[in-house]
Order: sequence, then C-alpha cells, then structure tokens
Amino acid sequence: DIQMTQSPASLSASLEEIVTITCKASQGIDDYLSWYQQKPGKSPQLLIYDATSLADGVPSRFSGSRSGTQYSLKISRPQVDDSGIYYCLQSYSTPFTFGSGTKLEIK
Amino acid sequence: EVQLVESGGGLVQPGRSLKLSCAASGFTFSDYAMAWVRQAPKKGLEWVATIIYDGSSTYYRDSVKGRFTISRDNAKSTLYLQMDSLRSEDTATYYCARQVGPFDYWGQGVMVTVSS
Repeated sequence: DIQMTQSPASLSASLEEIVTITCKASQGIDDYLSWYQQKPGKSPQLLIYDATSLADGVPSRFSGSRSGTQYSLKISRPQVDDSGIYYCLQSYSTPFTFGSGTKLEIK
Repeated sequence: EVQLVESGGGLVQPGRSLKLSCAASGFTFSDYAMAWVRQAPKKGLEWVATIIYDGSSTYYRDSVKGRFTISRDNAKSTLYLQMDSLRSEDTATYYCARQVGPFDYWGQGVMVTVSS
C-alpha cells in the first residue's frame, strides 16, 4: 500500500502569511495527487487535482506543487473562511490512500 | 448541478447487514466511476470501494473485502453499498463520491453506527 505522510497535523496562521501543507508519498504516484478541504459537519471539497490543477470554482490563492515524491498545497494570503481540515489523496493505485489531515486555523 | 444523496444509514447490531444507496443527478451517471469513502467519528477519510462506469470492475480495501459489495443501477442513476457482517470498526459517516481519478463531487454523507 502507498503511504501518504501529511504534515503538519495542525497549524495556525494569520491573514498575511503563506500556508504550506505537505504530503510525502512512500513511492512514486505519477502526480495522481489531489487535495481536499473539509469544514465541520460538511463533506470534503476538491481543491487541487493532478498535483497542480485548480478545481472549478476554487480561488487562485490555492496552488499545488511537487518536489520528488513530496507534494505541497500552498494558500497565499489565506482568508478566515479557509479554516478547516485539509487532506491529500493518492489515486495512483488501490487502496487509494488519504493523508492523515491538517487542521488549519486562520486567525 | 451535480447532486449525490445518500440514504439507508442507521444503527445496526454487530454481525448484521445494512444497504446504503446514493441517488445521483445532474450528470450522466453511466459515464463515471463511483466510490464510497468513510470517516469514523473524529477521524480522517478512508476509501472503501470503487466501481467503474459500467459495473464490470470493482475494487475494495482489504478490511471490507468479502463483507461489502459495491454495485450500481445505471438505469436508476443509483449507487449501492451492501454491508454484511458489520463490525464496530465500520461505524462511520459514509460518503458516495464521483471518481474521475480524484473524487470531484461528494454527497452529504450518511451515518452508520454498529453497536449492540
């Protein structure tokens, strides 16, 4: 199984900061990597797919990148509404695996 | 507008069965793979199963293989998850999702509680 090691587990950031969340895959996943945001009591929403592509309707302050087998989600000048839990997902091979999640608080 | 609406959840005793449904609308259901993803209380997301567009291939995580069956009725635009021999560790909110590689649309989720 492919393991997705996500960090940090939680972070708090201000409106002026750049937020970065990372997921490291235990093996190559050919950019079959997506990012999701989940707010309390709600279903997850797709933010980024294929490592770097922005999903429809997602603000441009969200972006994705890759360095080797490490994938990153960056939020530039986050808004208070960006608070929530973020997950990565590898859909390269079954069992599809999510990262453990990052709880983000925007102050 | 894409909509996925789950139903069929509830409280069930260990060892018993339950069948979840997911009614899809707003897209051509028969063109897409579909999946079930679950989330135990206060825990992260866990992929459960996927079925390809025509139902000819299915995929499961090991912990549910042989107990859960994913199926679909393309004429009714409905996805199913038959859950047998339920265990306490199956307690979770179950989401159906449209799968295009990533999961691009999700339902609101349905709660399944396995307890005596």
